Formats: sequence, C-alpha cells, structure tokens
Amino acid sequence: SAVISQKPSRDICQRGTSLTIQCQVDSQVTMMFWYRQQPGQSLTLIATANQGSEATYESGFVIDKFPISRPNLTFSTLTVSNMSPEDSSIYLCSVEDETVSWNEQFFGPGTRLTVL
Amino acid sequence: AQSVAQPEDQVNVAEGNPLTVKCTYSVSGNPYLFWYVQYPNRGLQFLLKYITGDNLVKGSYGFEAEFNKSQTSFHLKKPSALVSDSALYFCAVREAQGFKTIFGAGTRLFVKA
Repeated sequence: SAVISQKPSRDICQRGTSLTIQCQVDSQVTMMFWYRQQPGQSLTLIATANQGSEATYESGFVIDKFPISRPNLTFSTLTVSNMSPEDSSIYLCSVEDETVSWNEQFFGPGTRLTVL
Repeated sequence: AQSVAQPEDQVNVAEGNPLTVKCTYSVSGNPYLFWYVQYPNRGLQFLLKYITGDNLVKGSYGFEAEFNKSQTSFHLKKPSALVSDSALYFCAVREAQGFKTIFGAGTRLFVKA
C-alpha cells in the first residue's frame, strides 16, 4: 500500500496568514485528494488533484482560498490562504494507488491546523 | 447526487458479542461501497469494499459487510467484538463511473471489556 507523509503534522497560525501543507507519497499515483475533517467528524472533499491538470474543486471551495499544486506523481501541496478561525481543522491528503488496488484510498496522517 | 447515511452516532457492544454498524446509501447506477476505520490518533484505514459479485464482503480484522441492493444498505458486521475494535467507522460510496468518494458522518464504536 502507498505510504503517505504530511508536513507539518500540526500548526498554530494567526488569522490572515497562509499555511502550505505538503503531501509526499512513496509511489507514483495518478489521483490525489485533499480532505478536511473536524476532529471526530466526517471528511469533506476539498479538491481532486491529478498530475498534469488543474485541480478540481468541490462546491464551497475555491482556488483562491485553497490553491493546490501537483508538480509530479508523488507530491502535492495544499495552501490555506488568508486563514480565519473557521479554517481550524484537520487536513488530509489521500491517494488511490492503482498499482495496489483500484478504488481504495490511502490516507496520510493529517495536518492539524489551529487558527487563532 | 450520491449520499451516504450512518444513522447511529455511537454503538456500544460488549466484548465477545456480535457488532453491527449501519450504513445506507443513495447513488445513481451501481454503487461502489467502502468501509474505513479511524483509530484514535491514527489515520484512516481501508477495511473493505463492495464493487460487484458476492453480496457478503470480507475485510480486514475479521470484519465483513453485506450489500443489500433492495434496502440500499451496506452494514458492517463482526461476529465477536474486541476492545481493540473501538474506533470511528466511516461508510463511503462512489458512483461506478465516477472518482469522487462521499463519506458518511461516522459511527463511533465502543467495545467494553
């Protein structure tokens, strides 16, 4: 299975600043996803990031607020811009490793963000 | 639009007893159905999936799930619960022709010794 690491694991940020979260995968994967999860609650898909194309954002999420880069098949970044306390959440990177099994998603450990 | 419902916020079970975590779904066409588990302070892990074929799907850690098309359900089951099964369980659904997975609200399972 794909092994995913995220940096930072947690951060406390000031309102109005931006944070870039990195997601590194140990294998080449086509499909990568970014989710947001309030502790103990469900996951909300922010966007799908496939290498070589622009990220596809879900309703309620826009590129200006959550710009995503996907420069290659093993790496992606999500930036949370102009943060407010409402952005406090856990941000999860997820991939589908089609070389292992189609449809199954593997998740990173998450980045716990607190905005003051 | 696809959706998934987990009607129970929490399920309490005594160790050794069977457990069931309920899930119902709504999707256009054939569904792909999944269960994921999130242990405390750990990431989400895949448990099992239904794509096609046998309605009873077996997964990791002794869990299984039964796909019921008429009731649009995909309940997670285990014959004998362990204290270590205590975790947050998510049901998820995807349309067969899509790549977007929708997660349920989650059900917290408590297994008492």
